[in-house]
Amino acid sequence: GAVVSQHPSRVICKSGTSVKIECRSLDFQATTMFWYRQFPKQSLMLMATSNEGSKATYEQGVEKDKFLINHASLTLSTLTVTSAHPEDSSFYICSAKGQGRYEQYFGPGTRLTVT
Amino acid sequence: QQQVKQSPQSLIVQKGGISIINCAYENTAFDYFPWYQQFPGKGPALLIAIRPDVSEKKEGRFTISFNKSAKQFSLHIMDSQPGDSATYFCALGLAGNTGKLIFGQGTTLQVKP
Repeated sequence: GAVVSQHPSRVICKSGTSVKIECRSLDFQATTMFWYRQFPKQSLMLMATSNEGSKATYEQGVEKDKFLINHASLTLSTLTVTSAHPEDSSFYICSAKGQGRYEQYFGPGTRLTVT
Repeated sequence: QQQVKQSPQSLIVQKGGISIINCAYENTAFDYFPWYQQFPGKGPALLIAIRPDVSEKKEGRFTISFNKSAKQFSLHIMDSQPGDSATYFCALGLAGNTGKLIFGQGTTLQVKP
């Protein structure tokens, strides 16, 4: 299967600071990338969809000014959590799919803890 | 409003047994039905997926059964092994291949040795 990486795997930051998470497709061109959030023992919640070179589309209730998404190339998308607060602490997971493909491959996730 | 209902929430199976997880959905706006396996602290891994033009798909010990008229699909894990112990999610892919997935609530499977 296709490989998607995320960096960092874990990050701890202070309240009020910003954190950037990278998502890379290592062996295929990801025309579309997705960002999810997952709370303990819960399902995955889609936050936003990004197509390479376009602005991200955010799901209802997700603040676009707080969760900045950039998809500048066919192999890289970034999620920046701005002015992080403890309630932003969560497991953030990206996924990627190629043009015309149905299969969506997930990264290993990033555990964000805001203190 | 939940568009997909996954059951059971948790499942305990003896080694060698069959694990069955079900998902039911409410409308016909979907044309891709994947199952994902997730271990604690890891991202979900695509296990097997089906399109609505077939009623069954088998890959190794994993089988998807799909009932389009009943709007249900299920995952069968044959000869379940302790290494299969994980959380399983079904998902619905919106028609048109946008890639947008709606996930089920998840099923925690424990396979006892």
